[in-house]
Amino acid sequence: DAGVIQSPRHEVTEMGQEVTLRCKPISGHDYLFWYRQTMMRGLELLIYFNNNVPIDDSGMPEDRFSAKMPNASFSTLKIQPSEPRDSAVYFCASSLSSAGVGGYTFGSGTRLTVV
Amino acid sequence: GIQVEQSPPDLILQEGANSTLRCNFSDSVNNLQWFHQNPWGQLINLFYIPSGTKQNGRLSATTVATERYSLLYISSSQTTDSGVYFCAVGTGGFKTIFGAGTRLFVKA
Repeated sequence: DAGVIQSPRHEVTEMGQEVTLRCKPISGHDYLFWYRQTMMRGLELLIYFNNNVPIDDSGMPEDRFSAKMPNASFSTLKIQPSEPRDSAVYFCASSLSSAGVGGYTFGSGTRLTVV
Repeated sequence: GIQVEQSPPDLILQEGANSTLRCNFSDSVNNLQWFHQNPWGQLINLFYIPSGTKQNGRLSATTVATERYSLLYISSSQTTDSGVYFCAVGTGGFKTIFGAGTRLFVKA
């Protein structure tokens, strides 16, 4: 398996532009998570899905952020409009729900810079 | 919400030394994981260990859920062990909260 695949690896955009981050989870995993990592706040859970359904989006910072999972093999995190304070590394992770194999597998992350 | 504290915040070791990293949490958990973030930013899952003890090569972990702590042991450290070690816990379902991490540097 190729693991969790995120794209793009790096994104530089101007303030006010729309940004879309993409994630392909490991086949067969039924949980998908979006995290954001910054020096100031560490790793923060933004939202997670189970069987393509959003379960908890309480970590989404503002209405400018939205996430979708149209099918089991694809998820997007969108920021519109983007602001400089959104600059961070965004990670996607997936997991199986079965007890004993509850560990997360993370993607390589997308480093977002908003100028 | 649940609080996760990791110690020490920073650690410098000579290659070949052993170390113990600690994770304290403020509430009962049903999900605890240890991760290593390498210098290139990749997050690698080391252990899924809500209770008990596990070992994987030079690494082992123990979680004492009743006393709300977990320990990660690194034996015979190598320069490739450098990076940040995170403890992540969840109290229900899969909502997992990360600690601030322990930054480890292993000198050759």
